[in-house]
Amino acid sequence: KQEVTQIPAALSVPEGENLVLNCSFTDSAIYNLQWFRQDPGKGLTSLLLIQSSQREQTSGRLNASLDKSSGRSTLYIAASQPGDSATYLCAVTHRSEIQGAQKLVFGQGTRLTINP
Amino acid sequence: ETGVTQTPRHLVMGMTNKKSLKCEQHLGHNAMYWYKQSAKKPLELMFVYNFKEQTENNSVPSRFSPECPNSSHLFLHLHTLQPEDSALYLCASSQAFAPIIRNEQFFGPGTRLTVL
Repeated sequence: KQEVTQIPAALSVPEGENLVLNCSFTDSAIYNLQWFRQDPGKGLTSLLLIQSSQREQTSGRLNASLDKSSGRSTLYIAASQPGDSATYLCAVTHRSEIQGAQKLVFGQGTRLTINP
Repeated sequence: ETGVTQTPRHLVMGMTNKKSLKCEQHLGHNAMYWYKQSAKKPLELMFVYNFKEQTENNSVPSRFSPECPNSSHLFLHLHTLQPEDSALYLCASSQAFAPIIRNEQFFGPGTRLTVL
């Protein structure tokens, strides 16, 4: 059974710092890995999707990497801003459970606070 | 807001009530999902519909009953719930049978449910 772990559970840093969020998964047979952002009490916003054949994806100040063989992904946030404060979730899509639709397995998230 | 809407946004109900949650997607997708997000637990997949047919039911109690009348609408009917069912219920959609490695799920804002 796939398990996704995110470390740390919470992180607080001053504005302007670069930071790294970590995600690990136990079963490397994945189709892709997604990073989401969730603001308090709100739904999820997709940030980046890395296909299983890719090593990294970039969007603005965000860079996500994927090492499928070791079961790890990182989300790098450059020059952090108070507006980046949110919970960041990673999720993997399974190869073996596809029936014409996706099945995502989520980590518990990292709650990020950027202090002005 | 995304192309996935959910109503109501907040719901308080007693254990003997019957209520329904509604999800609508405007993205032309044909797969829809219900997720449950409880405090301090990862997002859990509840139901998956692909082309209006249910393909996944992750051992969800029968007090939760999904309905998917067409590929744009998804309902979750609730009856005789328990206080531990209080959670954020999220709906998502994706394009079934798109190349799975590039496929993304798009989430609605969620319904915050409180069972008294």
